[in-house]
Amino acid sequence: AQKVTQAQTEISVVEKEDVTLDCVYETRDTTYYLFWYKQPPSGELVFLIRRNSFDEQNEISGRYSWNFQKSTSSFNFTITASQVVDSAVYFCALSDLIFGTGTRLQVFP
Amino acid sequence: GAGVSQSPRYKVAKRGQDVALRCDPISGHVSLFWYQQALGQGPEFLTYFQNEAQLDKSGLPSDRFFAERPEGSVSTLKIQRTQQEDSAVYLCASSLQGGLDAFFGQGTRLTVV
Repeated sequence: AQKVTQAQTEISVVEKEDVTLDCVYETRDTTYYLFWYKQPPSGELVFLIRRNSFDEQNEISGRYSWNFQKSTSSFNFTITASQVVDSAVYFCALSDLIFGTGTRLQVFP
Repeated sequence: GAGVSQSPRYKVAKRGQDVALRCDPISGHVSLFWYQQALGQGPEFLTYFQNEAQLDKSGLPSDRFFAERPEGSVSTLKIQRTQQEDSAVYLCASSLQGGLDAFFGQGTRLTVV
């Protein structure tokens, strides 16, 4: 069975703070993919990143970074120096687009 | 079009009414997914097409839900005899192949009153 857990329902930060969104997954597959999506108020899911299970290198893209740790089955997402425009619901997903329940991030000015 | 297009964006249905939700995927995308997203929840998988073949419909919650993609492009999700618990946003996604690089539409918000 595949499962994605995002334990943080909602996080509120003040602009310029760093924030980490947690994602823990379960899968019996030896090869799998992990995703992060952003869902702004408009409702559309915006693809952020895809990682292959063989590639445990952390990735940085601008203010976004991802920490993939196979040993703890986690794929955490950090936003550095958060901005108001980062306010959205963020979803972690596993291979066949099995989604977690999402974390609502609110960034206050 | 440039992205996945869903119509209508909003639909209000009376309980018991049938509804049809349309998804226009990105041209050339083989894979098409339907998801149901209840308020405050993550998207829940409903069904998956590869071209016109419905390869997985394990997520359809009841036999009132039916999806088709007869020519391998546009897809329609039909819900018969709608119930209040069907109220949700229905999301469609398409990709060149499988779940990689899937692009989502803005969804159809269905409210059953």
